[in-house]
Amino acid sequence: DTAVSQTPKYLVTQMGNDKSIKCEQNLGHDTMYWYKQDSKKFLKIMFSYNNKELIINETVPNRFSPKSPDKAHLNLHINSLELGDSAVYFCASSLDSQPQHFGDGTRLSIL
Amino acid sequence: RKEVEQDPGPFNVPEGATVAFNCTYSNSASQSFFWYRQDCRKEPKLLMSVYSSGNEDGRFTAQLNRASQYISLLIRDSKLSDSATYLCAVRPLNSGYSTLTFGKGTMLLVSP
Repeated sequence: DTAVSQTPKYLVTQMGNDKSIKCEQNLGHDTMYWYKQDSKKFLKIMFSYNNKELIINETVPNRFSPKSPDKAHLNLHINSLELGDSAVYFCASSLDSQPQHFGDGTRLSIL
Repeated sequence: RKEVEQDPGPFNVPEGATVAFNCTYSNSASQSFFWYRQDCRKEPKLLMSVYSSGNEDGRFTAQLNRASQYISLLIRDSKLSDSATYLCAVRPLNSGYSTLTFGKGTMLLVSP
C-alpha cells in the first residue's frame, strides 16, 4: 500500500554499466519527478513529467533517460554509469500544485 | 545568491527547548513554500505548507515574510524524535509545473 514505490532500493554496480530504476505511484497524481541527492545531501530536480509528457529537464547528462509509459509510472535509465553518479535517487509525485510525495529512494553505488 | 539557502547547522538543543530555522529564497515571484523533514537515510516527508498568514500545527509554527524573502519554522518543546534534517522548499513561479527547489537542509539534534 506504499504510495510512491521505487525499485530497487539498493543498486551496486560497476562503472560503465547500464541500469534502470523504476517508480510507481498509486495516488492518482498527474506529475512525477526524479531527484538526485548527492553525498552533500543536496536534493536537486532532474526531470519532471506531467501526464506522461516531459516538462522539466534540468542540466543532466544525456546518459540519463527518463521514460513514462503512463502517468502512474516514471522510470529512469542510466547508460555508461560513472563514479559521480553515486547518489540517492528519489522519485516523487504530486497533483497539480499540491506538495510532492517522495518514494523511499534508490541508493546507487558505483564501484 | 543561491536560490534557496538554509543554515546547515547542526543545531544542538536539549529536550524541551524552542528552536527556530530560517530559509531565504532569491526569487521574489515564488508562490508556494513548504517545510519537509528528512530522517537519516530516509526520504523527505512533508512537515507543513507555509501560508502567507502563518500557520501552526501542534508544536510547529511556520511563517512567511515576503518582504524579506524568508520562511521560518519554529519548534516548541523539542522532543528527541524531532532530531532530523529540515528542508525548506520553494516553488518558483516561472519553473513550470509544480517543481520545487530545495535548500540543503538544517540538521537538528535534540539531546536528553
